[in-house]
This record gives sequence, C-alpha cells and structure tokens, in this order.
Amino acid sequence: AQSVTQLDSQVPVFEEAPVELRCNYSSSVSVYLFWYVQYPNQGLQLLLKYLSGSTLVKGINGFEAEFNKSQTSFHLRKPSVHISDTAEYFCAVSDRSSGTYKYIFGTGTRLKVLA
Amino acid sequence: ETGVTQTPRHLVMGMTNKKSLKCEQHLGHNAMYWYKQSAKKPLELMFVYSLEERVENNSVPSRFSPECPNSSHLFLHLHTLQPEDSALYLCASSQDVWETQYFGPGTRLLVL
Repeated sequence: AQSVTQLDSQVPVFEEAPVELRCNYSSSVSVYLFWYVQYPNQGLQLLLKYLSGSTLVKGINGFEAEFNKSQTSFHLRKPSVHISDTAEYFCAVSDRSSGTYKYIFGTGTRLKVLA
Repeated sequence: ETGVTQTPRHLVMGMTNKKSLKCEQHLGHNAMYWYKQSAKKPLELMFVYSLEERVENNSVPSRFSPECPNSSHLFLHLHTLQPEDSALYLCASSQDVWETQYFGPGTRLLVL
C-alpha cells in the first residue's frame, strides 16, 4: 500500500535562509503529488502539485518542489523564508495505480521561521 | 462567499449532546470529503461523497453520521461522542473524486 513519509516533524530556520522540507513516498508508479500548507487555526491550502510533465513544480508564495522518480521523493524548497511562512506543511500522494486515486497524507512538518 | 466554508468554527459538546457540522462549497465541485485531524497523527479520511452518493466510509464509528443533500452541502451529524473524538474536522471538495482537493477552515471540536 502507498505510504508517505515526512521525516522531519519540526524544522526551525532563520528568516531569509533557505529551507527544504522532505517528503518520500513508497511507490513511484502512477502518482500525483501535492504539498499543502496549514496556517494556525485554518484549513489546508494547496501550495503546489505535480500531475505530469516537468519535474520541477513552482507553487505559491515562492515555494517549489521537485519530483524525483528514482528516489521516490517530492521535496519542498524555498530559497529565502519569511516569518509568515511559519506553518505546518503536508505532503500528499494520490496513487493512481490502485484505481481509487485515494489521497494519502504525511504526518506533517512544522516549519518555524526565527527572526 | 468563495471556496469551502465550514460552520461552526468551534464547538464544545458533552458526551450526550447531538450536534451537526456543516460544510458548503461554492466551487461547483462534484465530490466532498470529511477528514479528522488529531494532534501528531496523519489526516484521517472519514467519508467521501460523489454526486451526493457516499463512495467511501473508512470504518468510522456510527456516532458520526454524514449527510449530503446536494453537491454543494455536506453535514456531519454527531451523537454521543467520546472525549477522544476531540479534533479538528476538515471538509474538502474536488471537481471529481480524488482530483485536487480544496479544504475548508475546519471545525475545532471539543468533547467534554
């Protein structure tokens, strides 16, 4: 069965520094990949998604992610973070090979941007 | 209003109460979802509706009862809940089942 691993539960980083949030999934066959952000007391907001085509995907708020099929990874990056990026980030995979296309979410990574 | 809205945003209820959570989507989508978000756990899918028909029920206790009267509205009826049911309940919608999902702000539920 498909699974999603976000190895880092918390990532502290100083303002204007680069950040990478890691996401690995268990199967590279026919997947759609997503990153969502959740600000305090809010629902999940779509940051970016990979469906097909270019492996480098650009999203909102200056974030980007790269689909790496051989490493079954979809890491999220931002070259310079702001205090306002402090939030929880969720990686999700939609496994098309199962025929159900069900979303599987990771456990989330809490990004804390320090002044 | 735009997107996906949920009411109430916060709810405190006793174990013998009956309450309902409401979700409304203004995106013209055909599929709607209920998720449960508890601290330090992955999002748990509870129910999926497509064109008002339930297409998935992930072994959710019967004290949670969903209702989808039309493609824009989704309810979650709550009855005799337990303290461990306290969580953030998120509603989402998508154009069709399992396409990109758009989430509401959630209802923070506390069961005493």
